[in-house]
Amino acid sequence: GESVGLHLPTLSVQEGDNSIINCAYSNSASDYFIWYKQESGKGPQFIIDIRSNMDKRQGQRVTVLLNKTVKHLSLQIAATQPGDSAVYFCAEIEGSGYALNFGKGTSLLVTP
Amino acid sequence: DGGITQSPKYLFRKEGQNVTLSCEQNLNHDAMYWYRQDPGQGLRLIYYSQIVNDFQKGDIAEGYSVSREKKESFPLTVTSAQKNPTAFYLCASSRQVSFGYTFGSGTRLTVV
Repeated sequence: GESVGLHLPTLSVQEGDNSIINCAYSNSASDYFIWYKQESGKGPQFIIDIRSNMDKRQGQRVTVLLNKTVKHLSLQIAATQPGDSAVYFCAEIEGSGYALNFGKGTSLLVTP
Repeated sequence: DGGITQSPKYLFRKEGQNVTLSCEQNLNHDAMYWYRQDPGQGLRLIYYSQIVNDFQKGDIAEGYSVSREKKESFPLTVTSAQKNPTAFYLCASSRQVSFGYTFGSGTRLTVV
């Protein structure tokens, strides 16, 4: 199937800085995108989603940007906190799809 | 509180034995999914079900079986035919296919 990949497997940021996690996707028919956060030994938690008719969506301290032209998705976390340390996954699905397709994940480490 | 429950959290089995992982949701979601996660990897789809009494193979269904006799329940059986069953198994549900998933907390299966 189509692949969803991440540019960086690990990202280390200092507490208080902004974090940007990137994701490239290859299926031009993808129309729904989600970011999940997974802490060690736990199931993924929904962070934020965006549909293809939007290019930006904001939540609490998080923003997702979608660039359909280059098939790129990013997650921005403002004022990163130690509790943000986790693995972040992007996932995508096209309208005719049957299940989310997940990328391999980026490990975010927040240092004091 | 509504949610999705996986049990047990940890499971140990001898090689050659079948084992069934439980997944129950009280979110009234139609769709349910099973994913497998290996260390440092993304999530790979094993089986999915969009409605009661119907389920479909995902990308890595060989050696696994499921049933969907009730809307709330989607158990996964790892059979002796699965060559490398040791992994972290995640169950998820969603209202419809192109909506965000709610994940369970996972079952870590170790086969010795």
